[in-house]
Amino acid sequence: QSMPTQPPSASGTPGQRVTISCSGSTSNIGDNYVYWYQHLPGAAPKLLIYRNTQRPSGIPDRFSGSKSATSASLAISGLRFEDEADYYCAAWDDSVPGWVFGGGTKLTVL
Amino acid sequence: EVQLVESGGGLVHPGRSLRLSCAASGFSFDDHAMHWVRQVPGKGLEWVSGINWNSGRIAYADSVKGRFTISRDNAKNSLYLQMNSLRIADTALYYCVKGKYLGYCSGGDCHSVGYWYFDLWGRGALVTVSA
Repeated sequence: QSMPTQPPSASGTPGQRVTISCSGSTSNIGDNYVYWYQHLPGAAPKLLIYRNTQRPSGIPDRFSGSKSATSASLAISGLRFEDEADYYCAAWDDSVPGWVFGGGTKLTVL
Repeated sequence: EVQLVESGGGLVHPGRSLRLSCAASGFSFDDHAMHWVRQVPGKGLEWVSGINWNSGRIAYADSVKGRFTISRDNAKNSLYLQMNSLRIADTALYYCVKGKYLGYCSGGDCHSVGYWYFDLWGRGALVTVSA
């Protein structure tokens, strides 16, 4: 089961824009939609982005998603201290078949 | 308000069994696929299993295939995970997750749990496998 690759960590200062990458393969990101989740300590994970670029209601437009070929990215602009969390990408993988998550990226707001 | 409440977690010896339950409320349970996702302490998220609305489609991660069984009772608005032959590596926080339909079928098996992404999550049930 091939897991998409994310950088283990990312950081930024308040107000900055940060980008988190998610690199997969044809069988997952290449042929299927990408989803992004925010996981705050002690809380349930929350859906941030669905179908590569769509935001659920209630998610601010500071969060945006993109996808190109077998890679995807989550961008967070106007960084805030409350954005400090773990972020995960996910996609269905046709070769498994099953859902796969990226390894997660811990975002630190300095 | 949508609520997913897991129960049944605990401490169990390797090789033994445990059954997790998830009580769902605030939405039409029998209209949605459901999933179990776990997180090993200090590690990332791992999808465990998914089941479609009428149990007609079920999928498992390779790491649990043949040992875990997912099921649901729509009359009781409940999701279950029967875990047998537990291993130390199964120690994790297990989340019950409501699926949301992608919106259309692009081909292949249109009833697959692959068309149901993770929408809302419970708070999790901790399973500890230790001698």
